[in-house]
Amino acid sequence: DQQVKQNSPSLSVQEGRISILNCDYTNSMFDYFLWYKKYPAEGPTFLISISSIKDKNEDGRFTVFLNKSAKHLSLHIVPSQPGDSAVYFCAARKGNTPLVFGKGTRLSVIA
Amino acid sequence: NAGVTQTPKFRVLKTGQSMTLLCAQDMNHEYMYWYRQDPGMGLRLIHYSVGEGTTAKGEVPDGYNVSRLKKQNFLLGLESAAPSQTSVYFCASSELLGTVSYGYTFGSGTRLTVV
Repeated sequence: DQQVKQNSPSLSVQEGRISILNCDYTNSMFDYFLWYKKYPAEGPTFLISISSIKDKNEDGRFTVFLNKSAKHLSLHIVPSQPGDSAVYFCAARKGNTPLVFGKGTRLSVIA
Repeated sequence: NAGVTQTPKFRVLKTGQSMTLLCAQDMNHEYMYWYRQDPGMGLRLIHYSVGEGTTAKGEVPDGYNVSRLKKQNFLLGLESAAPSQTSVYFCASSELLGTVSYGYTFGSGTRLTVV
């Protein structure tokens, strides 16, 4: 069973607008959540994270929101830039276990 | 500062052949991981290691073996390659802070095709 779900395979946004990427999880024991960004022919790179004791974490143009009651998190990118076009993976873990990744969402930012 | 280096970057194998993928990290990280990425499937954990001399199974371990003889190296072996193992393989490492690992650093991947 898939514990981390990204139900939107792709998303297109105009440059300057907000991009919202969504992620749902089923395991209520997850205590740490991360977003990774991946360009073609490269490995994933860490973008932003949030602990389960928080509901928001912000880093520049990137903000992650966590709604534990809904088992849902989202990544907001404001304003979106063409260089943000990539595949975004949501990941989660429980304690010191390895990260569990979602299937990814391909973001295209159109100039 | 190379980070995580994977070799080879590309490989084509015939069904039944064997090969070893090498992952090397120079960050003195304790934990190392092998993931595979397939279209529409995201990143799935194959095996991982929590320290030199240790290995553990992940979500999709069948058909693969691993070894961690040195802290900086994590080898992934395919004894008899099958077309279902056609994938992009990513190695990652992370450091241990207290009792929790942080900061996964990924290599650039190995694209393997089994024909």
